Amino acid sequence: EAGVAQSPRYKIIEKRQSVAFWCNPISGHATLYWYQQILGQGPKLLIQFQNNGVVDDSQLPKDRFSAERLKGVDSTLKIQPAKLEDSAVYLCASSLGVSGTGELFFGEGSRLTVL
Amino acid sequence: GENVEQHPSTLSVQEGDSAVIKCTYSDSASNYFPWYKQELGKGPQLIIDIRSNVGEKKDQRIAVTLNKTAKHFSLHITETQPEDSAVYFCASHTGNQFYFGTGTSLTVIP
Repeated sequence: EAGVAQSPRYKIIEKRQSVAFWCNPISGHATLYWYQQILGQGPKLLIQFQNNGVVDDSQLPKDRFSAERLKGVDSTLKIQPAKLEDSAVYLCASSLGVSGTGELFFGEGSRLTVL
Repeated sequence: GENVEQHPSTLSVQEGDSAVIKCTYSDSASNYFPWYKQELGKGPQLIIDIRSNVGEKKDQRIAVTLNKTAKHFSLHITETQPEDSAVYFCASHTGNQFYFGTGTSLTVIP
């Protein structure tokens, strides 16, 4: 079974530029998550989708971050304009069910460096 | 909101010794507590989990204990091996969301 795919793996941009990350979850997984992991910290939830609807985006900085999950499958996370403090690894995860307590399957992450 | 604290932040053990990582949580409604292992350059991977109606769970060399009254849970790794070296995260689930600890970097010295 293929895992969660993310791209790009690495991205370096200047502040105020924009960037987009893509995630393809495990086939059939209803729930998709985007987490931000700053160096030395645990993952912090940015947004959670169930199929193609948003379950929780309370911690998403909506003035600069946006995310969508078209047709309940792939998802993109965009940052525009980027700030220095956005430097982090952006992890996409998916889970099979909708109850919320199932195993999270993480991708390898997209490492963003903002200069 | 939920607050998960994890200790220690770094841990070094000799191969064959045991390692213990401890976490506390604040929300008494939390009902699911997974542990994830993250190797360098990879995403976290679930290694063991425990639900709030169970006090202890074991899977080969790994065990997790949960004390709901004290709101803390622990990961125990016995007979550590060099391949156990990684960052370990605890998490709690409440309000339809996972909350992660800050991680423990475990080094197993051959």
